Amino acid sequence: GENVEQHPSTLSVQEGDSAVIKCTYSDSASNYFPWYKQELGKRPQLIIDIRSNVGEKKDQRIAVTLNKTAKHFSLHITETQPEDSAVYFCAALGGYQKVTFGTGTKLQVIP
Amino acid sequence: DAEITQSPRHKITETGRQVTLACHQTWNHNNMFWYRQDLGHGLRLIHYSYGVQDTNKGEVSDGYSVSRSNTEDLPLTLESAASSQTSVYFCASSSSEGPYEQYFGPGTRLTVT
Repeated sequence: GENVEQHPSTLSVQEGDSAVIKCTYSDSASNYFPWYKQELGKRPQLIIDIRSNVGEKKDQRIAVTLNKTAKHFSLHITETQPEDSAVYFCAALGGYQKVTFGTGTKLQVIP
Repeated sequence: DAEITQSPRHKITETGRQVTLACHQTWNHNNMFWYRQDLGHGLRLIHYSYGVQDTNKGEVSDGYSVSRSNTEDLPLTLESAASSQTSVYFCASSSSEGPYEQYFGPGTRLTVT
């Protein structure tokens, strides 16, 4: 089955700096890569996703890049703000529309 | 507005008891999923369903069961609760036709004493 590894597990940045979270996946058939943000005590919510036919996608301060050859994808957050503090999960959709999640990155933005 | 709900939101039960967690969605999604979330493990898939009468085991299915008798509901049953099943449980749903975004319920915090 699919295996998704996510790094780092914790990340602290100064407000205004950029944050990068990286994930690798094992199943070359995976074709959809969502990123979820989970605030403390809340449910995970989709913030951005990318499909395998696209190399990069941006939405305001967040962007995701995908390298299918290397089987890795990354989340980039620019101009970080305190409200970006949360746990971020990457995921990969493989066979049978089953999503496998990474183990999460706890991002702390220091004001 | 469409939504996905879970009940109860908090549950304390004793070892050995049978527990059922409810999940109800009004998105009319065919796909439904149950995850457990534990520190350091992220979201791990327990069971999933692609439609009525369809159920499949995920990576941590031992001690859990599900049934799908209609599109809206996928209840999760712990046959004989164990302390190792203390966790936060999330239900999710997604369209089978795309986009494949999963919509999560608010979660159920289960404590087994």
